[in-house]
Amino acid sequence: EIVLTQSPGTLSLSPGEGATLSCWASQSVSSSFLAWYQQKPGQAPRLLIYDASSRATGIPDRFSGSGSGTDFTLTISRLEPEDFAVYYCQQYGGSPYTFGQGTKLE
Amino acid sequence: EVQLVESGGGLVMPGGSLRLSCAVSGFAFSNAWMSWVRQVPGKGLEWVGRITSNPHGGTTDYAAPVKGRFIISRVDSINTLYLQMSSLKIEDTGVYYCTTYFDAGGWVWGQGTLVTVSS
Repeated sequence: EIVLTQSPGTLSLSPGEGATLSCWASQSVSSSFLAWYQQKPGQAPRLLIYDASSRATGIPDRFSGSGSGTDFTLTISRLEPEDFAVYYCQQYGGSPYTFGQGTKLE
Repeated sequence: EVQLVESGGGLVMPGGSLRLSCAVSGFAFSNAWMSWVRQVPGKGLEWVGRITSNPHGGTTDYAAPVKGRFIISRVDSINTLYLQMSSLKIEDTGVYYCTTYFDAGGWVWGQGTLVTVSS
């Protein structure tokens, strides 16, 4: 099983600043099959990035994903008030698919 | 428009059973590999299991905590995915989502259905 570790656990920033969220995998993620989600209380996860760097439909270009192998990054270039939420990474390169524990952006 | 709609959640006693459904529309369900994901209230996301398409054998994989207790199945003729849960434990409480992946577009999720295991 691939274990995903997200860092930091909590990130405290202000609107207008940039954010860098990390996701480390315990072994290489096949074909860069890694996704990033945003989740707000009471809502289903919202897909931001899939296949490590492809932006999902309707996602603003201030969100970008990068990385391969075991190291992946979600970058938010200029934080908007609506960006403050919990972010998860997920690998789907091999079963069982697994999620990171989340990063809270406050 | 792609839609996944879960149903069947509710309150069940420990040791009981429950069957969740996920009705899909807007895409070729018969070719889709489908997954279930759950989330304990206030906690993180946990992958429950997956079923491949029938042309790929309709095989299933499960996360260790549910293996032997949960069964994923599908009926392509009515575009519906199922999650049969038995021997339920308190720690199975959570919101259950069905989800699927598209090569061009990534993952799509339903809105979830709440399962509460409590006496």
